[in-house]
Amino acid sequence: AQSVTQLGSHVSVSEGALVLLRCNYSSSVPPYLFWYVQYPNQGLQLLLKYTSAATLVKGINGFEAEFKKSETSFHLTKPSAHMSDAAEYFCAVSERGSYIPTFGRGTSLIVHP
Amino acid sequence: NAGVTQTPKFQVLKTGQSMTLQCAQDMNHNSMYWYRQDPGMGLRLIYYSASEGTTDKGEVPNGYNVSRLNKREFSLRLESAAPSQTSVYFCASSPRTADGYTFGSGTRLTVV
Repeated sequence: AQSVTQLGSHVSVSEGALVLLRCNYSSSVPPYLFWYVQYPNQGLQLLLKYTSAATLVKGINGFEAEFKKSETSFHLTKPSAHMSDAAEYFCAVSERGSYIPTFGRGTSLIVHP
Repeated sequence: NAGVTQTPKFQVLKTGQSMTLQCAQDMNHNSMYWYRQDPGMGLRLIYYSASEGTTDKGEVPNGYNVSRLNKREFSLRLESAAPSQTSVYFCASSPRTADGYTFGSGTRLTVV
């Protein structure tokens, strides 16, 4: 069975600093990969997705993620954090042909002024 | 487009009461899902419907039932609510696996 590991339940950065949220997965073949963002008291919103096209994927709000097959990773980055980026971020993996994605436990991004 | 609409947004139940959480999507998506979200537990799948007319159990189905009423609507029923079912419930839909999910805004349920 596939699994998703998000390193760090909380990540704290200063406003303007680089954001790096880590996601590693286990899968025998390259899967579909997703990042979702959840703002307080809201549902999850799709941030970006990898579906076997370009390995560097750009999403909304200046976020991007790079698929690295050799490292089975799909880390999320943003060059400069903004206060409005404070939220919970979830990595998810779907095997091709499966209806059910596996979600990571989530990483809370805290942005300090 | 409204996307995925969940009702109600908040609900307080007494132990043993029943209720149905409603979910409707207007995007013509084939698949629909019910998740619960608890602190430290992430998202856990309760039931899903891959297409109209089919439903399947997820990771935590005990104490719940579902109905895929038509392509738009997927309801979740608690027959006899228990305090362990206090949670935030999310409905989601998807046209196909590669496209990811669209989530509703959630129902915050408290069972006392």
